[in-house]
Amino acid sequence: KNQVEQSPQSLIILEGKNCTLQCNYTVSPFSNLRWYKQDTGRGPVSLTIMTFSENTKSNGRYTATLDADTKQSSLHITASQLSDSASYICVVSAWEYSGGGADGLTFGKGTHLIIQP
Amino acid sequence: GAGVSQSPSNKVTEKGKDVELRCDPISGHTALYWYRQSLGQGLEFLIYFQGNSAPDKSGLPSDRFSAERTGGSVSTLTIQRTQQEDSAVYLCASSSLAGGGNEQFFGPGTRLTVL
Repeated sequence: KNQVEQSPQSLIILEGKNCTLQCNYTVSPFSNLRWYKQDTGRGPVSLTIMTFSENTKSNGRYTATLDADTKQSSLHITASQLSDSASYICVVSAWEYSGGGADGLTFGKGTHLIIQP
Repeated sequence: GAGVSQSPSNKVTEKGKDVELRCDPISGHTALYWYRQSLGQGLEFLIYFQGNSAPDKSGLPSDRFSAERTGGSVSTLTIQRTQQEDSAVYLCASSSLAGGGNEQFFGPGTRLTVL
């Protein structure tokens, strides 16, 4: 069964500090992995997407890494800001999806990040 | 509009009543998805529309849930005889093509509370 596990479940850090969120998956065959940011009361917004051949992708202060061999990804946030407070969701897509539910997408439960001043 | 819109933003109803939730996808997007997000939980897939193909209903939790998409655009999610466990945020997303490689653009969601 395809699964995506995220850790930690929640995290509190001080403004200006760095942090790293983890995503482990068992989705096969792997196509791509996407990190979403979901602000409270809003829908998720895509931060990065990585395919099998990519092992790092940056979007401003957000840097995602992917190790397709160990089936792990991380999202590193540098110099955190109050606006980074949100849930971060890891979504993994299966390759050449041809049937079944959710269009081949498996969602993690997210990491709830709180940035304190 | 520029993004996916959903209405209403909040809905409070009594147990046993029917509710309809609306989603307006981004113009031109052929794929439309409905998800449910309970407090502290991840997104739960409900149903997926792609163009004129038959929808993928494999995520609907019971026959009280149904959805339609008229004219390949607006979609309505209907929950009949609501139960308290239906309380959640219902999110709609659209993408230009089907397939996980295509970014899904999410609406703000409808928060449903069943009393």
